[in-house]
Amino acid sequence: SQQGEEDPQALSIQEGENATMNCSYKTSINNLQWYRQNSGRGLVHLILIRSNEREKHSGRLRVTLDTSKKSSSLLITASRAADTASYFCATAAQGAQKLVFGQGTRLTINP
Amino acid sequence: SAVISQKPSRDICQRGTSLTIQCQVDSQVTMMFWYRQQPGQSLTLIATANQGSEATYESGFVIDKFPISRPNLTFSTLTVSNMSPEDSSIYLCSVAVGPRDEAFFGQGTRLTVV
Repeated sequence: SQQGEEDPQALSIQEGENATMNCSYKTSINNLQWYRQNSGRGLVHLILIRSNEREKHSGRLRVTLDTSKKSSSLLITASRAADTASYFCATAAQGAQKLVFGQGTRLTINP
Repeated sequence: SAVISQKPSRDICQRGTSLTIQCQVDSQVTMMFWYRQQPGQSLTLIATANQGSEATYESGFVIDKFPISRPNLTFSTLTVSNMSPEDSSIYLCSVAVGPRDEAFFGQGTRLTVV
């Protein structure tokens, strides 16, 4: 399969806790992007990290990228019930715009 | 960013029929992408639609089953032809914009084939 892997496949935590999701990929990339999907609707773009970047922040989100290990992580701090969704990583190869998606992590925040 | 309007948002279709999905972008883009998300699965790229040329299909997808039109730089359609229940999925269009090639998605079309 060309798709990357994400772990865990499902994560359930209490509101206020931090959530960490991991993504691994197989080929050299230009960038890696994280998305949120609520209940099978469209994808919401969260953050993009380029291959020459190691860490990006956006609000309560922190993304890291380790190109030597071909892996990335998404940290959501101080989780809220509204963060309940599926989260996907997607990679774009060098010189390409099309994306290869990971399998996704289903995150549940319990009130 | 980009605003992408996709319609219909959902449809229930009879097997053997065809459905055309429309995707409108609020800016001109060279490439538009069509993805499929089968129930409980991740997204898989169907094809890349280039204005003025034939679409480029990924392995496992063929033009006869998923014909694509790209009449201008802001619009594309994907047709799901001769549908079967296995075609029941969410279909999403996407574009990449900006200097960082951030990819944005429409709200998707949830297709159920009965």
